[in-house]
Amino acid sequence: GQQLNQSPQSMFIQEGEDVSMNCTSSSIFNTWLWYKQDPGEGPVLLIALYKAGELTSNGRLTAQFGITRKDSFLNISASIPSDVGIYFCAGLWANSKLTFGKGITLSVRP
Amino acid sequence: DTGVSQDPRHKITKRGQNVTFRCDPISEHNRLYWYRQTLGQGPEFLTYFQNEAQLEKSRLLSDRFSAERPKGSFSTLEIQRTEQGDSAMYLCASSSYDISKGNEQFFGPGTRLTVL
Repeated sequence: GQQLNQSPQSMFIQEGEDVSMNCTSSSIFNTWLWYKQDPGEGPVLLIALYKAGELTSNGRLTAQFGITRKDSFLNISASIPSDVGIYFCAGLWANSKLTFGKGITLSVRP
Repeated sequence: DTGVSQDPRHKITKRGQNVTFRCDPISEHNRLYWYRQTLGQGPEFLTYFQNEAQLEKSRLLSDRFSAERPKGSFSTLEIQRTEQGDSAMYLCASSSYDISKGNEQFFGPGTRLTVL
């Protein structure tokens, strides 16, 4: 099935650094969501975006809904060790099922 | 805790056996979703319910899979005659259908299935 494109597969940063990750699709969505998943757990919703061009923040996280409705990015500022995990973007069309990317594994070096 | 709960968290079974998983959504949510996630992949949609009605099923959901939500509250996912390829994390999510908010979905902790 269709998946969103997230790359690279892994990112390694130093504690305190900012990191940005993006997500692209060949199809448009009317909602973009970003989730974080820890090993053995379900995804946890971080940010939801509802309008093209929308920029939304949640603490140290900032995300944007691309103007074309085919992309989104997530920025984490001043990273801390607990930011370690897998970050997934997900697109939603017609208020039903989510389509996910493959995720980006973030490692934070103390 | 009023989040989505799933039971069991882990299930090990032998090939050919039947297994059933349960999901309890957030109480005021009328939509419930099942996803499957394999290693290194994002979750993939299986099926969803609005109240007790099953509105959509993925082609991933073979005839051996069946899901129910009889009273519009908890849901069960049954896999009959399990195969090794069914080994995965089965995730449940729920949402409160609100067209103005875009249907944020909240996930449970998942059930990890291992088929030997």
